[in-house]
Amino acid sequence: EVHLLESGGGLVQPGGSLRLSCAASGFTFSNYAMSWVRQAPGKGLEWVSAISDSGAGTYYADSVKGRFTLSRDNSKNTLYLQMNSLRAEDSALYYCARRSHYGSAWYTDFWGQGVLVTVSS
Amino acid sequence: QSVLTQPPSASGTPGQGVTISCSGSSSNIGSNTVNWYQHLPGAAPKLLIYSDNQRPSGVPDRFSGSKSGTSASLAISGLQSEDEADYYCATWDDTVFGGGTKLTVL
Repeated sequence: EVHLLESGGGLVQPGGSLRLSCAASGFTFSNYAMSWVRQAPGKGLEWVSAISDSGAGTYYADSVKGRFTLSRDNSKNTLYLQMNSLRAEDSALYYCARRSHYGSAWYTDFWGQGVLVTVSS
Repeated sequence: QSVLTQPPSASGTPGQGVTISCSGSSSNIGSNTVNWYQHLPGAAPKLLIYSDNQRPSGVPDRFSGSKSGTSASLAISGLQSEDEADYYCATWDDTVFGGGTKLTVL
């Protein structure tokens, strides 16, 4: 059974940093691209970042580009999201998710339960 | 505000059918496939439809997706109380999400 367990969230002051982790199990982690999607309170889903199966390719939403860094350790089956220069608008529930593809079209087939990040003074 | 437009709410009674629309443009839906997700409060989002109209194993055939031009739709037939949730469309390899539609089963 696919399982994605996020950790590392919490309360941080504006301008601060946090590193989120996502421990994957139940599938061959190194065979899958992964992503983070967030949901601010009362808002909809927003894609944050994605990474290829090898980690060679990383992609970011404009809203986090230059501040967030996505990486993975395939030997540890773990995904990391380093978040720097955090702003109040980064406050959200962050979901770790697995990506799959059908031909050239990508979709998100499994999601974690999410980890809460609150940016406030 | 998302580039994909969904109605903020939809409703139906048990047993009825309901359709949720997702409107975009030639640069997003018009040139990419659409995926649909169900999100119950406090739970992880769940994939319902991928690549416009493909249903993952385990998703009931009451759920179906379609796309025409720059718009897509999710149809739910035989509404059940457990279908009450938020529904999101997404495109461009899931880098763009709609604003979500809250479905109420009356």
